[in-house]
Amino acid sequence: GAGVSQSPSNKVTEKGKDVELRCDPISGHTALYWYRQSLGQGLEFLIYFQGNSAPDKSGLPSDRFSAERTGGSVSTLTIQRTQQEDSAVYLCASSSGGANTGELFFGEGSRLTVL
Amino acid sequence: QQQVKQSPQSLIVQKGGISIINCAYENTAFDYFPWYQQFPGKGPALLIAIRPDVSEKKEGRFTISFNKSAKQFSLHIMDSQPGDSATYFCAAGSSNTGKLIFGQGTTLQVKP
Repeated sequence: GAGVSQSPSNKVTEKGKDVELRCDPISGHTALYWYRQSLGQGLEFLIYFQGNSAPDKSGLPSDRFSAERTGGSVSTLTIQRTQQEDSAVYLCASSSGGANTGELFFGEGSRLTVL
Repeated sequence: QQQVKQSPQSLIVQKGGISIINCAYENTAFDYFPWYQQFPGKGPALLIAIRPDVSEKKEGRFTISFNKSAKQFSLHIMDSQPGDSATYFCAAGSSNTGKLIFGQGTTLQVKP
């Protein structure tokens, strides 16, 4: 498809396990963003990539969270030793990265449930 | 300085009425103010956006009003329809990075 693709769409895991969430951005989009949406809450910024580098990691909640992007395309968000408070929908977005565009295109998210 | 405050948290409007959602920001470096619409189970999608060089932007039934001195902006939905029932997020950001700071969201219900 032409949109942002995220997988898995749903993930149920046990407390203490590691999880990986994948984002496949729109082809040609140089900027990629991860956000977290908790139940009834707004979108919390996690990290931003321009190409393969992450100039802004300021939103990562703890050192259990990490993300990487390879080949200027696919990104993986990894949560180690998951906790119940990590339960949320993790949204990925991409943009063309132009200075004046601004529009982020979101995927449908990966819903993480930590038991 | 990074916060964007949005109100109300929820809103119920009759079909044909006007829906108004308000946002306030703190960081004067922000130069891009979009509104996103989200339906259940979907990701947010851009609805309308404004830059601080104009005070109002209208697209169809949707209008953004922007008050730079007060650091506030609002979304007006005219002739609200049941299909407009969704969660609306305001956001603010810098066009240099594209990074957006989102408000907490407003759940709008339009009653037929």
